[in-house]
Amino acid sequence: QKEVEQDPGPLSVPEGAIVSLNCTYSNSAFQYFMWYRQYSRKGPELLMYTYSSGNKEDGRFTAQVDKSSKYISLFIRDSQPSDSATYLCAMSAKTGANNLFFGTGTRLTVIP
Amino acid sequence: SAVISQKPSRDICQRGTSLTIQCQVDSQVTMMFWYRQQPGQSLTLIATANQGSEATYESGFVIDKFPISRPNLTFSTLTVSNMSPEDSSIYLCSVEGQRNYGYTFGSGTRLTVV
Repeated sequence: QKEVEQDPGPLSVPEGAIVSLNCTYSNSAFQYFMWYRQYSRKGPELLMYTYSSGNKEDGRFTAQVDKSSKYISLFIRDSQPSDSATYLCAMSAKTGANNLFFGTGTRLTVIP
Repeated sequence: SAVISQKPSRDICQRGTSLTIQCQVDSQVTMMFWYRQQPGQSLTLIATANQGSEATYESGFVIDKFPISRPNLTFSTLTVSNMSPEDSSIYLCSVEGQRNYGYTFGSGTRLTVV
């Protein structure tokens, strides 16, 4: 079983829709949770960072962590064509790149 | 956050040859990280490059295949040696973000081995 599972999509939504992206994980020790956005031919860029459980909101983006279910989500409100990218979840039990586990990414297309 | 310049951005190479990828950061950083991103697979850490010491390799990666240099606090290179088609991938350089929040990545090197 992989440490982190993420539906690869692809996911296509109309402009203005609410997008829900999800990851599940198996290691209950994970406490640092991240979402990265990766545009085509670019490196991943950090979008959201959450420690432990709860919600975090930043503009149109909301990250949710449910540790009891080992499930994290990223919601995008009022989606825009510029949100079209691959979204990667990542998580770790402690700091350090060698402790970080990435999902495979979900490819999102927002159709004008 | 740091700005990372990585080159080449892409290359097509013959099997059996080697390619050196360069990573330049606009600020001094203690550690630099090299990742591989294969289609349909998650980002995988190859090694951590520390200035003044040997790189630390993750399980499944060896120095003979992926030699790394780290001559100063702003620069590192990764060489992919004796390439085979299985080495076709995107290779990414990364550094820690501010206050250890996440990581900053370069734009990547898209390598195709034929």
